[in-house]
Amino acid sequence: DIVMTQSPDSLAVSLGERATINCKSSQSVLSDLDNKDYLAWYQQKPGQPPKLLIYWAFTRQPGVPDRFSGGGSGTDFTLTISSLQAEDVAVYFCQQYYTIPITFGQGTRLEIK
Amino acid sequence: QVQLVQSGAEVKKPGSSVKVSCRTAGGTFGSDGITWVRQAPGQGLEWLGGVIPIFGTPNYAQKFQGRVTITTDESTATAFMELSNLKSEDTALYYCARMLLPPSMTPLTPGWFHPWGQGTLVTVSS
Repeated sequence: DIVMTQSPDSLAVSLGERATINCKSSQSVLSDLDNKDYLAWYQQKPGQPPKLLIYWAFTRQPGVPDRFSGGGSGTDFTLTISSLQAEDVAVYFCQQYYTIPITFGQGTRLEIK
Repeated sequence: QVQLVQSGAEVKKPGSSVKVSCRTAGGTFGSDGITWVRQAPGQGLEWLGGVIPIFGTPNYAQKFQGRVTITTDESTATAFMELSNLKSEDTALYYCARMLLPPSMTPLTPGWFHPWGQGTLVTVSS
């Protein structure tokens, strides 16, 4: 199984500042066939199901604010929120869909400093 | 706008089974997949399995092989997840989600998940 490891486990950032979450996979999720990284990011607010933010490592889901961006390739990925808003307080998960079983990172809790 | 509507909360005894439904409101399965993920209280996300209805054969996480069964009813655009031989550690929120797929999909192709159902709480207690 591909193990997804996020860092940090929790993060406190001031409003308007940049927040960066890291995700590392135990093996590459970059496909030789289509040169795409099979990596997605989700946001989960308390009492709600997860919400898709980004897929193919950097493609933003329609309706997601452009302050959210994804980066990286191969085994190392980042989710960046360029200017933190109060409504961004949530837990964030990365997910690989390169192979079965689909696996998630353990989650990163983002709070306001 | 496709929405997934799940069945209500369940309380089950250890050793019994639970069957959760997930109806696609406002659409059909199309060429998308359906997947199931669970979240124990205060914990992360765990994938149970999924199916691409046009192919029909489900894929399951090894951990749940032999205990989980995923089926679909295309006439009502409803998916079902049945988990048997329940243990207290199966207490969790169970989510269904549409699994969006790359163009070159096969029965084994995994994907990313959007949208998600509202979740069904399954409590296993004697």
